[in-house]
Amino acid sequence: KAGVTQTPRYLIKTRGQQVTLSCSPISGHRSVSWYQQTPGQGLQFLFEYFSETQRNKGNFPGRFSGRQFSNSRSEMNVSTLELGDSALYLCASSLGVSPLSTDTQYFGPGTRLTVL
Amino acid sequence: LAKTTQPISMDSYEGQEVNITCSHNNIATNDYITWYQQFPSQGPRFIIQGYKTKVTNEVASLFIPADRKSSTLSLPRVSLSDTAVYYCLVGETYNFNKFYFGSGTKLNVKP
Repeated sequence: KAGVTQTPRYLIKTRGQQVTLSCSPISGHRSVSWYQQTPGQGLQFLFEYFSETQRNKGNFPGRFSGRQFSNSRSEMNVSTLELGDSALYLCASSLGVSPLSTDTQYFGPGTRLTVL
Repeated sequence: LAKTTQPISMDSYEGQEVNITCSHNNIATNDYITWYQQFPSQGPRFIIQGYKTKVTNEVASLFIPADRKSSTLSLPRVSLSDTAVYYCLVGETYNFNKFYFGSGTKLNVKP
């Protein structure tokens, strides 16, 4: 079974631009979560989508947004990029069902975004 | 939000058993305890998950005392390839908003 894939793997943008990152979950997984990882803040939860609906959201500004398509693939968008947005953006997929299930998240390799 | 506290770093030698302890004093009744491993520039990889007592799989064991305020990840006979950051998480598995990765423990395995 193929794992979680993220595209592109590396991206360089300048301040003020916007960027779209893509994530393809494991086949059959309906939940996709996004995380930002930086040396200073560590791994921080951005948001989670389940069946095309945002189910959970972290504490990030509105410049960070996402969506999920009917095939469970997800995209996240960052508008008006700032230098501090430079980070590794990770996507994780899981089955996402049953509140007390042992639902395991499987992470992709990440997209390394550099903002100049 | 159940936060976790782990040692920032640990050193070990190949072939030794490594135990990494995580404190989670505010763990809630429905929270599971999950451990992930992360290599540089890669996404975290699931290691093990438990709710109480002891869980063992092919790569690790997880020990959870009765009060569940801490947990210990045990890695038997580590090798150089086990050098990574290990994260302890607590949270309801369906409510990712409650997942807090913390700073993790950097394990350095020496030859």
